[in-house]
Amino acid sequence: QQQVKQSPQSLIVQKGGISIINCAYENTAFDYFPWYQQFPGKGPALLIAIRPDVSEKKEGRFTISFNKSAKQFSLHIMDSQPGDSATYFCAALASGAGSYQLTFGKGTKLSVIP
Amino acid sequence: NAGVTQTPKFQVLKTGQSMTLQCAQDMNHEYMSWYRQDPGMGLRLIHYSVGAGITDQGEVPNGYNVSRSTTEDFPLRLLSAAPSQTSVYFCASSYSTAGGGEQYFGPGTRLTVT
Repeated sequence: QQQVKQSPQSLIVQKGGISIINCAYENTAFDYFPWYQQFPGKGPALLIAIRPDVSEKKEGRFTISFNKSAKQFSLHIMDSQPGDSATYFCAALASGAGSYQLTFGKGTKLSVIP
Repeated sequence: NAGVTQTPKFQVLKTGQSMTLQCAQDMNHEYMSWYRQDPGMGLRLIHYSVGAGITDQGEVPNGYNVSRSTTEDFPLRLLSAAPSQTSVYFCASSYSTAGGGEQYFGPGTRLTVT
């Protein structure tokens, strides 16, 4: 069963545009929501993370928006650059429930074209 | 620090063969885990460990075995390889056993089973 649904599967954005990737979850015990970035041939790396006590977190050009009532969160990449072309994974964890298992979405392949 | 290292980078096995994927980390992290990544499936947890001598199953444990005799090493054993185990395997580690912390991923092992 897929506990974190991610969309779209792929995304093409022009340089300078805004990239938006969405994720939805069902498990209300989830309390930690990271985003990972993966370049071809490399392992994923943590990009930014949020806990549900805030509705938004910004780090540079990357912003997570979180809607607890809708059980949705999204990644916004402002002023997208070709170097942002990568696969992005959202994930969720029920850390308060003592879980050690990150549940990942299926990923979004982002291509930023010049 | 080397971070998380994995060997080998590539491996081809015949059906029925066994092998061990190696994973080591030099960050003194308690939590280590193994994921497999398949196209369109995201990252799925195979096994994880919250400390030396302690392991548990993740989402897709069948056909795999793990042990954790030291903090640094967490090998993954394929008992009798099957074509369905063709995948890219990632090892990850984290400082936090309660979850919610950044997971550091290795560079991956690409395994093909013929």
